[in-house]
Amino acid sequence: KNQVEQSPQSLIILEGKNCTLQCNYTVSPFSNLRWYKQDTGRGPVSLTIMTFSENTKSNGRYTATLDADTKQSSLHITASQLSDSASYICVVSDGGATNKLIFGTGTLLAVQP
Amino acid sequence: GAVVSQHPSRVICKSGTSVKIECRSLDFQATTMFWYRQFPKQSLMLMATSNEGSKATYEQGVEKDKFLINHASLTLSTLTVTSAHPEDSSFYICSARDTGRGQETQYFGPGTRLLVL
Repeated sequence: KNQVEQSPQSLIILEGKNCTLQCNYTVSPFSNLRWYKQDTGRGPVSLTIMTFSENTKSNGRYTATLDADTKQSSLHITASQLSDSASYICVVSDGGATNKLIFGTGTLLAVQP
Repeated sequence: GAVVSQHPSRVICKSGTSVKIECRSLDFQATTMFWYRQFPKQSLMLMATSNEGSKATYEQGVEKDKFLINHASLTLSTLTVTSAHPEDSSFYICSARDTGRGQETQYFGPGTRLLVL
C-alpha cells in the first residue's frame, strides 16, 4: 500500500533555532517528492520538489533532502521565524498516468518567541 | 507565480441545501483540477479529479451524485455539495495542474471552509 509517514507529529521550537522534519514513504513507482507548508485555514504552498535523481534542494531557509534508496526525506529549517509556524506536509507522486499525489499527515510546527 | 483562487472562502449553510464552490486558475490553463477534503488535524484526501470537457473521476467512497463537479473551461472547475449535511462540514481545497508545464506542476487554492448547520 502506498503510504507517506511523517515524524514528529508536532514540534515546538524557539525562534532562531533549527529543526528537521522527517518523511518516510513506500510509494511505488516513484516520480517525485514534494514538501508543502500549510498555514492554518489555508491551502498548501509548495516549498520544494525533488525527482529521483536529486538528493537535495533548497528554498531560502528550507533545505530538503531525498534518499531514494532508503525512501526517506527530510526538511531542514534554518534560523526559524515565528512565521514558520505551520503544518509541513510531505507529498509523494506515484508517477502513474494521473501522477497521483499521496499525502503525509504532516508535522505541526510551532515556533515560539 | 501561478495563482489558484477559490470562492467563497467560507460558507455556512442549512442542512439540506446545496453549496457551490468555485476553483479558478488565474494566470494559466488547467486541463486537470483536483478536489480535496481536509478534516481537522488530518491530511488532504483526494475526492475527485476534474478534467476539462469530460466527466470527473471520483475516488473510492466519494458519492458522485452528492459531490457534483463541473469543469466547463480551462480555468474553472466547480464543486457542488448537494443536500449538504453536518458531516459534510470540512475544508475543501482545489488544486490545478498547469497544462503548459507538465504533470508535476500543481498549485493549490486557499481552501473553502464549509459549515453545515
